[in-house]
Amino acid sequence: EPEVTQTPSHQVTQMGQEVILRCVPISNHLYFYWYRQILGQKVEFLVSFYNNEISEKSEIFDDQFSVERPDGSNFTLKIRSTKLEDSAMYFCASCRESNQPQHFGDGTRLSIL
Amino acid sequence: AQRVTQPEKLLSVFKGAPVELKCNYSYSGSPELFWYVQYSRQRLQLLLRHISRESIKGFTADLNKGETSFHLKKPFAQEEDSAMYYCALLQNQGGKLIFGQGTELSVKP
Repeated sequence: EPEVTQTPSHQVTQMGQEVILRCVPISNHLYFYWYRQILGQKVEFLVSFYNNEISEKSEIFDDQFSVERPDGSNFTLKIRSTKLEDSAMYFCASCRESNQPQHFGDGTRLSIL
Repeated sequence: AQRVTQPEKLLSVFKGAPVELKCNYSYSGSPELFWYVQYSRQRLQLLLRHISRESIKGFTADLNKGETSFHLKKPFAQEEDSAMYYCALLQNQGGKLIFGQGTELSVKP
């Protein structure tokens, strides 16, 4: 069964540095999402992406965040200048239609020092 | 406001006992609800979707619009059911998922 893949599984970065989290959604999926989960808290929506543009973004997704689909397979989340509070698990998800169940990747654990 | 509430952080039962993981929602439109499961060190996986009305791994969930609930049930818990369970509401506009806090189910032998 096809899966959403995320790399790296764990990223450790100094505060203030840029970080790029990578995702390869399922190949025939059209809708892409990033969520995050701070330790001990709920999974929170960050951004949705369709037809090469952002469909919706949450309050968390400020100017420090950006997403890109640079080629036909990758979907990336960039944090320009990381803060301590960006430490979390970041999940990528994709689906074929917006009302279909979303398939999640294993997540990237981001640790900001 | 759109919200999903899972009141129990941890639910501990013995093998063979019935299980009910509670989920309540607040949504102004017609809700579409899911249960996702996360086994230890694994990804979030879809367990159930309310419109499919199917039973997966012995689990069922019924949407009760009057009580705004979507509780997850299993008559006889197994040790392999131990995991984190998340109730999620699909926002019809845009398709984002709104998650509850999650309930950790621990099934003891």
